Amino acid sequence: GESVGLHLPTLSVQEGDNSIINCAYSNSASDYFIWYKQESGKGPQFIIDIRSNMDKRQGQRVTVLLNKTVKHLSLQIAATQPGDSAVYFCAENTGGSYIPTFGRGTSLIVHP
Amino acid sequence: NAGVTQTPKFQVLKTGQSMTLQCAQDMNHEYMSWYRQDPGMGLRLIHYSVGAGITDQGEVPNGYNVSRSTTEDFPLRLLSAAPSQTSVYFCASTPQGADIQYFGAGTRLSVL
Repeated sequence: GESVGLHLPTLSVQEGDNSIINCAYSNSASDYFIWYKQESGKGPQFIIDIRSNMDKRQGQRVTVLLNKTVKHLSLQIAATQPGDSAVYFCAENTGGSYIPTFGRGTSLIVHP
Repeated sequence: NAGVTQTPKFQVLKTGQSMTLQCAQDMNHEYMSWYRQDPGMGLRLIHYSVGAGITDQGEVPNGYNVSRSTTEDFPLRLLSAAPSQTSVYFCASTPQGADIQYFGAGTRLSVL
């Protein structure tokens, strides 16, 4: 069936570097995408979202890029800090459904 | 606001025992969901509810029951615990008309 997936299960970066976490999706009907951050021992927390009528959205130190042509989503974190160490999930929604489909997650490790 | 509160935080059960995982939210959200998270995997939907008195099955409902007698509470019942139900369980809520989910801190369950 169609699903959301991630290219890299683990990403290690140095403090201060920029991080890019990728996500592939295959449901062409998906029109809303969300990134969640899950710190160790906690529940996922919303970071940023993007609708399918956009290709880029920026937040504080984070940017989400959407390429509908190749069904690819990425989360860019600028000047990565140790506090950014977590598992990052992408999730997709199809219009009318509030239940997202989650990807497997990417573990981001930031080395001081 | 406390947000989404899950109790207990940790639980150890013996095979065959039953128990209820509690979830309460104080944000007046219409939608609530239960997920399980296993190592190296994303979040898998167990059951969800679009409002008081309404529940439906998710991806992995077998062995679990839910009820939604009030907007605030959405308990998850394990009828006869099995080792395969060892997992971390997350409850989430979403306001009507929105797509972002607010997660609790999780319940870590071990079934021996």
